[in-house]
Amino acid sequence: GNSVTQMEGPVTLSEEAFLTINCTYTATGYPSLFWYVQYPGEGLQLLLKATKADDKGSNKGFEATYRKETTSFHLEKGSVQVSDSAVYFCALYSGGSNYKLTFGKGTLLTVNP
Amino acid sequence: DVKVTQSSRYLVKRTGEKVFLECVQDMDHENMFWYRQDPGLGLRLIYFSYDVKMKEKGDIPEGYSVSREKKERFSLILESASTNQTSMYLCASRPRESSYEQYFGPGTRLTVT
Repeated sequence: GNSVTQMEGPVTLSEEAFLTINCTYTATGYPSLFWYVQYPGEGLQLLLKATKADDKGSNKGFEATYRKETTSFHLEKGSVQVSDSAVYFCALYSGGSNYKLTFGKGTLLTVNP
Repeated sequence: DVKVTQSSRYLVKRTGEKVFLECVQDMDHENMFWYRQDPGLGLRLIYFSYDVKMKEKGDIPEGYSVSREKKERFSLILESASTNQTSMYLCASRPRESSYEQYFGPGTRLTVT
């Protein structure tokens, strides 16, 4: 079946540091890939997405590239801010009539001033 | 903007009570979902609905039922709440025509004592 593996958290960084959160997946076919973010006390928001190999999703300074050869979709940001503190979820959709997303377990990011 | 609302942010119930969690979306989306979120487990799909009165079981439907009498409203029902159902419950919706991203509500944190 489908699965998503994210790097274990929590991750603690200082402001303006470089961020990488690793995500690898197992899926049949050619899945669409997503990063969702959950700020404290809120639901999940779509951060970025990529629907085919070599696509790069980007939003709010975050980027992730769909790498089919390594089955990866790592999230990166060049300079994090305190306001980026949140839980980040990698997810995939690989087809099927129920439109089910498969989520990773989430990575808690804390950015200190 | 898409808006998904959930009836309560926090709920405390006793073991054996019948519990209703309500979710409403205002964008005429066909598909709606209920997930539970637990630390270290990520999001797990409980039930999915692809139209009014239509539902499908997700990965962990045991102990839950759902109701969708109107397109905008999707209810999750715990027939007899148990302590192992203490969790964060997230509702999501998506239109039938989209690149499979889902829009989430703020969540209901349910505690069963």
